[in-house]
Amino acid sequence: DSGVTQTPKHLITATGQRVTLRCSPRSGDLSVYWYQQSLDQGLQFLIQYYNGEERAKGNILERFSAQQFPDLHSELNLSSLELGDSALYFCASSTGTVHQPQHFGDGTRLSIL
Amino acid sequence: GQNIDQPTEMTATEGAIVQINCTYQTSGFNGLFWYQQHAGEAPTFLSYNVLDGLEEKGRFSSFLSRSKGYSYLLLKELQMKDSASYLCAVKAAAGNKLTFGGGTRVLVKP
Repeated sequence: DSGVTQTPKHLITATGQRVTLRCSPRSGDLSVYWYQQSLDQGLQFLIQYYNGEERAKGNILERFSAQQFPDLHSELNLSSLELGDSALYFCASSTGTVHQPQHFGDGTRLSIL
Repeated sequence: GQNIDQPTEMTATEGAIVQINCTYQTSGFNGLFWYQQHAGEAPTFLSYNVLDGLEEKGRFSSFLSRSKGYSYLLLKELQMKDSASYLCAVKAAAGNKLTFGGGTRVLVKP
């Protein structure tokens, strides 16, 4: 158990819809990262927050947005969903210091029908 | 930008040794991480190298050469449960963003 909690574990929805994925970091971690992993694809970095502020952006679509709240949990919002958005979405957390690893949650499997 | 290369797939026999290579080209460098990921599960942290040399952790060791942009993960005394994907990830100089390679799928056969 990494200590990172993601909900829901599975999500099935239709094209055009909007969903929110939730992540609670490990106790003491200030940084949260979101990744997308499509079938047979590598982990693609989406966005990072540190103590409530956006720190880095990767290949995140304009239809996607995220935020980190004062209690440090984070939400990833995906809107106008397309079939190609079907993927595993992972959240990771770290202390935010350079040499510390990121610890991953179990992911949310999103299926678009 | 950053480019990270690792082989797509490797097969080895139970009890043997396998070496997974990773080469990278990055703008700045703040360390290299190895993760293990079983299919459909979360990546789990294996090792971290920031200085040149070998880091050993039980059956797993990781090596780094910064001048060559090269790392390897060595898995010894392979067990069936080691069948998984192994991800090489590099942290750039600025920020804590990790860039992952495509992963190497290791299949351990009896």
